Amino acid sequence: DTGVSQDPRHKITKRGQNVTFRCDPISEHNRLYWYRQTLGQGPEFLTYFQNEAQLEKSRLLSDRFSAERPKGSFSTLEIQRTEQGDSAMYLCASSDLGIEETQYFGPGTRLLVL
Amino acid sequence: AQSVTQLGSHVSVSEGALVLLRCNYSSSVPPYLFWYVQYPNQGLQLLLKYTSAATLVKGINGFEAEFKKSETSFHLTKPSAHMSDAAEYFCAVNTGTASKLTFGTGTRLQVTL
Repeated sequence: DTGVSQDPRHKITKRGQNVTFRCDPISEHNRLYWYRQTLGQGPEFLTYFQNEAQLEKSRLLSDRFSAERPKGSFSTLEIQRTEQGDSAMYLCASSDLGIEETQYFGPGTRLLVL
Repeated sequence: AQSVTQLGSHVSVSEGALVLLRCNYSSSVPPYLFWYVQYPNQGLQLLLKYTSAATLVKGINGFEAEFKKSETSFHLTKPSAHMSDAAEYFCAVNTGTASKLTFGTGTRLQVTL
């Protein structure tokens, strides 16, 4: 078990560019979550998948954001036309089916929009 | 609705001293409660969790937390701080299966010699 991995770890982009992040969950974990963490704050929920189905989206997830999990394994989070306010750490977590669900987090992707 | 309040954005203790990080929660249904630790430029690592079993929960690295329903609290403690405990600590709540976590704003723990 190698844990949750995220790629890239760091991304610097110019305002208006599109960026895509990838998350590989712990193998056989059915659920995958995306969170955003800004400086000095706790993570905030963005969206959640169970297998390939996106079951919940936060109001934080504007139309410029899209997430996919096409085969129920890895997931991608795309931000179109990035804005400086998108600068944050993007965290991915996964969990397995069970009553006492525990979310395990990846190392995050730190995005800086110039 | 659910929320978490962490009192004290910064806590400083001497090495060997007691660590106490405060967390109060609000939840309309019985909560599941978690403490995570975050080291600089890293993701979150689970320290411990409460899921309606024993109210005193022991976690990794000598940390423990006690669920007190009457006080709606889930404070994190460690009897003796170590320099390696310096990090950001987050309390979080959810309502169980397939449920997003709601985090507090975090407490930065500083350990001094």
